[in-house]
Amino acid sequence: QKEVEQDPGPLSVPEGAIVSLNCTYSNSAFQYFMWYRQYSRKGPELLMYTYSSGNKEDGRFTAQVDKSSKYISLFIRDSQPSDSATYLCAMSDSGGGADGLTFGKGTHLIIQP
Amino acid sequence: SAVISQKPSRDICQRGTSLTIQCQVDSQVTMMFWYRQQPGQSLTLIATANQGSEATYESGFVIDKFPISRPNLTFSTLTVSNMSPEDSSIYLCSVAPTPGGPYGYTFGSGTRLTVV
Repeated sequence: QKEVEQDPGPLSVPEGAIVSLNCTYSNSAFQYFMWYRQYSRKGPELLMYTYSSGNKEDGRFTAQVDKSSKYISLFIRDSQPSDSATYLCAMSDSGGGADGLTFGKGTHLIIQP
Repeated sequence: SAVISQKPSRDICQRGTSLTIQCQVDSQVTMMFWYRQQPGQSLTLIATANQGSEATYESGFVIDKFPISRPNLTFSTLTVSNMSPEDSSIYLCSVAPTPGGPYGYTFGSGTRLTVV
């Protein structure tokens, strides 16, 4: 069983729709959860960061973490064509930056105009 | 957050040769990380590079294949040695969050390597 499971898609939705992206994980030691956006031929760009369980909102983006279920989500409201990208979930059990991140495979999202 | 310059952005190499990828950061950072992103796969951590000490490699990656240098707090290189077509991938460097700064690992734009 892989440490982090993420549906690679592609996920295609019409402009303006609410998008839901999800990851499940198996390592209960993970405490720091991130979502990255990666455009084609670019490096990953940090979108959201959450520590432990709970919700975090930033503009059109909401990140949710449910540690009891080992399940994290990213919601995108009022989706735009410019949101079309690959979204990667990432996790760490260390907050000090001494360890690297464990990633999901990424979900390829397409927002149709 | 730190700004990372990574080069080359892409290269096509002959099998059996080696390629060195450079990563320059605009600020001093303690920890740097090297990842591989194979088509359809997760970003996979290759090794962690701490200035002044030997790099720490993840399971499945060895120093002879992926030697890393970390001569100072703003620079690192990853060499892909004796390349085969299976090494065709995107290679990315990353830096850890700065103590006291906003949390989040920053990534370079990646090196797209094709081995023929």
